[in-house]
Amino acid sequence: DIQLTQSPSALSASVGDTITITCRASQAISHYLAWYQQKPGSVPELLIFGASTLQSGVPSRFSGSGSGTDFTLTISSLQPEDVATYYCQKCDSVPLTFGGGTKVEI
Amino acid sequence: QAQVLESGGGVVLPGTSLRLSCAASGFSISGYAMHWVRRAPGKGLEWLAVISYDGSNDHYADSVKGRFIISRDKSKSKVLLQMNGLTTEDTGLYYCARGRGVISPGDLWGQGTLVTVSS
Repeated sequence: DIQLTQSPSALSASVGDTITITCRASQAISHYLAWYQQKPGSVPELLIFGASTLQSGVPSRFSGSGSGTDFTLTISSLQPEDVATYYCQKCDSVPLTFGGGTKVEI
Repeated sequence: QAQVLESGGGVVLPGTSLRLSCAASGFSISGYAMHWVRRAPGKGLEWLAVISYDGSNDHYADSVKGRFIISRDKSKSKVLLQMNGLTTEDTGLYYCARGRGVISPGDLWGQGTLVTVSS
């Protein structure tokens, strides 16, 4: 099965910073990658699907890119409400494996 | 407003079974694929299983294959997760999530139901 490796596992940044989270697949998955945000004590929310398509209602400071094996989630102008754990998920075929997560702190 | 509602969690002994239920509010659950995902204490999200909108296809993670069964009830108003042979490794918060297809991400998640497997 294809594995997803996220890096870093945790990061600390300041309000207004631009941060980048990487997700690497062990085999090519085209553009079939999703990103989720899970805030402390809350449920996961879909941010991006198809590697770069923003889910409705998600702020435009979130963006995704990549294809094949290497993907990135970028948060421009980090806000206090962006404190969360971010996960990538492959959606090319079952199993729909998640990456290990990246914890973002301010 | 569309919502997903899980139920059925609890504290059970190792080796026993438990059945989780997932219902929908504000949309027709029979029109969507539905996933089960869990988060064990101190760990990340783990995808477990998915069932197609009509119940004709289902798929499982290796970690639960042969022990868990995802299904739709006869009224097609709920999605069920029958969990057998539970171990302490199955402890966690179990989420049900709506998907537009079997291999699509979950665009709407429930609050989760807690399963604790302990002797």
